[in-house]
Amino acid sequence: LAKTTQPISMDSYEGQEVNITCSHNNIATNDYITWYQQFPSQGPRFIIQGYKTKVTNEVASLFIPADRKSSTLSLPRVSLSDTAVYYCLVGLNTGTASKLTFGTGTRLQVTL
Amino acid sequence: DVKVTQSSRYLVKRTGEKVFLECVQDMDHENMFWYRQDPGLGLRLIYFSYDVKMKEKGDIPEGYSVSREKKERFSLILESASTNQTSMYLCASSPGKEKEKLFFGSGTQLSVL
Repeated sequence: LAKTTQPISMDSYEGQEVNITCSHNNIATNDYITWYQQFPSQGPRFIIQGYKTKVTNEVASLFIPADRKSSTLSLPRVSLSDTAVYYCLVGLNTGTASKLTFGTGTRLQVTL
Repeated sequence: DVKVTQSSRYLVKRTGEKVFLECVQDMDHENMFWYRQDPGLGLRLIYFSYDVKMKEKGDIPEGYSVSREKKERFSLILESASTNQTSMYLCASSPGKEKEKLFFGSGTQLSVL
């Protein structure tokens, strides 16, 4: 069964750069890679999206290698408020419609 | 702002009951999704819909059905609720050309006793 995997948890100090990698071997050819942030008792919230190479916005960067079988979310200079669970979302080939599948999620804990 | 509204924040039902979870979005999005979220298992796709009256099975459709009679509304139905369907249910919608850009509701915590 094709799936999307991430590290279960990561710890960081405030002010550091954090990189979270997602592995998605069976990504659908035409689908984007999207990352979400989730706080307790809330639905996930969109952070960044890309197709290949590098994308940067005001909160994060996304690095995607040429084969698109993985992606790395980079959070520059994290703060305590970045403590959350981070998910990647990709469309996986199913033989019919591509199925939007979330990764297993990475719990980021930021401390002083 | 896009708003995705789920009808109940908390719901308690008994085993064997038929349960309806309603979701409404106000941004004319083509795509709608139902996920369930359980500790340690992340978000798992139950069903999705790319158009009115259209539905596709996700990864865990067993025990569930869906209905999309109008573009803005996507209903999840538990035909005969069981205790293993106790979970947080999240509805999401996304625009047609950016289907991966999901907007989520606040979720419904369903407890089946």
